[in-house]
Amino acid sequence: DGGITQSPKYLFRKEGQNVTLSCEQNLNHDAMYWYRQDPGQGLRLIYYSQIVNDFQKGDIAEGYSVSREKKESFPLTVTSAQKNPTAFYLCASSIRAADTQYFGPGTRLTVL
Amino acid sequence: GIQVEQSPPDLILQEGANSTLRCNFSDSVNNLQWFHQNPWGQLINLFYIPSGTKQNGRLSATTVATERYSLLYISSSQTTDSGVYFCAVHNNDMRFGAGTRLTVKP
Repeated sequence: DGGITQSPKYLFRKEGQNVTLSCEQNLNHDAMYWYRQDPGQGLRLIYYSQIVNDFQKGDIAEGYSVSREKKESFPLTVTSAQKNPTAFYLCASSIRAADTQYFGPGTRLTVL
Repeated sequence: GIQVEQSPPDLILQEGANSTLRCNFSDSVNNLQWFHQNPWGQLINLFYIPSGTKQNGRLSATTVATERYSLLYISSSQTTDSGVYFCAVHNNDMRFGAGTRLTVKP
């Protein structure tokens, strides 16, 4: 079954801890994206990657880090430097940048 | 960066009614997408429509790129149409509007 998977669906962490969110796609897409959504708001771009071993910062990259070592995987690490990490995180992919984006089911992160 | 504005922010309809959602953007774009976010947070692609008109069942969309706006039409609305509708545009990167929250009452 082709698609984008994110895990876990719900994640809780204590303040001061780093946490890594998983995003995997088997669509053979070159481009992948991470977005953050706060309650009642639209999506804001954190990082994106147009090709393996390359990524760029989006509007709100501070306190986050990513890697793109494999085409199918684009993990996001939320570091302790992120001041307000509680949010809904969505991963997306597209064949190339500017093509149709397809989204995973999201991960809800709560910092206790 | 490019600005994306959606209107109205909230819309309440009776089942069977028609509606029009609007998306204005401040600069030329490479593509424009409409999404529906369901109550569980999943974003579902509705249209990829950088210009022109497309139809899919009860939904249709029109983008007039030269005038920098797009419209999403929902006809004969159903309760399952409820949720948040987002417009997103690609210039150098992807920018989302704040969304229109649609509630369809039975």
